Amino acid sequence: DQQVKQNSPSLSVQEGRISILNCDYTNSMFDYFLWYKKYPAEGPTFLISISSIKDKNEDGRFTVFLNKSAKHLSLHIVPSQPGDSAVYFCACKGTQGGSEKLVFGKGTKLTVNP
Amino acid sequence: KAGVTQTPRYLIKTRGQQVTLSCSPISGHRSVSWYQQTPGQGLQFLFEYFSETQRNKGNFPGRFSGRQFSNSRSEMNVSTLELGDSALYLCASSLEGGGYNEKLFFGSGTQLSVL
Repeated sequence: DQQVKQNSPSLSVQEGRISILNCDYTNSMFDYFLWYKKYPAEGPTFLISISSIKDKNEDGRFTVFLNKSAKHLSLHIVPSQPGDSAVYFCACKGTQGGSEKLVFGKGTKLTVNP
Repeated sequence: KAGVTQTPRYLIKTRGQQVTLSCSPISGHRSVSWYQQTPGQGLQFLFEYFSETQRNKGNFPGRFSGRQFSNSRSEMNVSTLELGDSALYLCASSLEGGGYNEKLFFGSGTQLSVL
């Protein structure tokens, strides 16, 4: 059972435009959400996070939005740059049965065209 | 500060063999987690070690095992390799491994190919 879903395996946008990456989760125990970015031949690196008590968190060109009732979060990149081309993983964190869980989605490959 | 170091970078093995992967966390980090990345499944959690003890475990068969040493370095072992074990194995470290402000720092991974 996939608890964290990134339904778009890939996304292609033009440089300067907005990139919107989506993530849906099913488990109500998740209350902290993160995005990681991964370039080929490198490990993922932390990008931005949001707590369930917020609905928006912004860091430069990157903004994460959280809709708890819909169990949906999205990452907005404005403006998109060619260097943003990478695989983006959504990750959800929560505690269940006394144990902390961090579950990743399958990733969305973003391509920003010059 | 040096990052997370994983060795080797690439491995080619044949079915039935076993393999050991190594991970050196960032200095001062006590938690080490292992993930398997495949194109179809994304990042899947294998297990987490903290202070030489396995603290969390994912849904992988017993062929996958690990350990952590007193210096926080960790090894992951896969026995009786299967073709489906071909994947990128990522190690991640963090200070304590828990808490919502803790971030994972990943190594570049070990690309395992099973022939």
